[in-house]
Amino acid sequence: AQSVTQLGSHVSVSEGALVLLRCNYSSSVPPYLFWYVQYPNQGLQLLLKYTTGATLVKGINGFEAEFKKSETSFHLTKPSAHMSDAAEYFCAVSDPFGNEKLTFGTGTRLTIIP
Amino acid sequence: GAGVSQSPSNKVTEKGKDVELRCDPISGHTALYWYRQSLGQGLEFLIYFQGNSAPDKSGLPSDRFSAERTGGSVSTLTIQRTQQEDSAVYLCASSPRGARGEETQYFGPGTRLLVL
Repeated sequence: AQSVTQLGSHVSVSEGALVLLRCNYSSSVPPYLFWYVQYPNQGLQLLLKYTTGATLVKGINGFEAEFKKSETSFHLTKPSAHMSDAAEYFCAVSDPFGNEKLTFGTGTRLTIIP
Repeated sequence: GAGVSQSPSNKVTEKGKDVELRCDPISGHTALYWYRQSLGQGLEFLIYFQGNSAPDKSGLPSDRFSAERTGGSVSTLTIQRTQQEDSAVYLCASSPRGARGEETQYFGPGTRLLVL
């Protein structure tokens, strides 16, 4: 069975500061990894994903994440936070050899301090 | 083009009533998923449809929940005899082929269900 742990249900950063949202996974095989963002009263939107190839993945809105197999991590970063980044962020995994379903972490709510 | 649409956007019902939630996936997408987002349980997978294959119902929490997908397009999630713990946001997603989990799933805005 797969599982995802997101450390920190709430993270606050100042505008212009580094954003770091943590994600660790547990899986018997290296999974596919995703970060989704959810703005208030909206559905989820894909930020980026890792399937194969380069372990540093760049996504939309200046976000990037690095797959580290040895650490079973897929942390999300952005060098400089904008007010518009305030949202809830979900890390998710899927099994490359199984069902297509996504298993989500519990989410991290990001607040940007002006 | 048009994204995934869901209706209604909000639904308030009384305990014990049946409800139907509708999902229109992106045209041409063969894979369709239902998830539930609740305060206590986070985001949970409910059911997955892929083309004409039998659906994966492994995430449905009880036999009060059922879903169908007609003509490989529109899907309806039905909850019978609703309970207060069914209150949640029900999200639908679709993907082009559902190929081995690597595809992006495109989510609708959700239906917010409140059971009184």
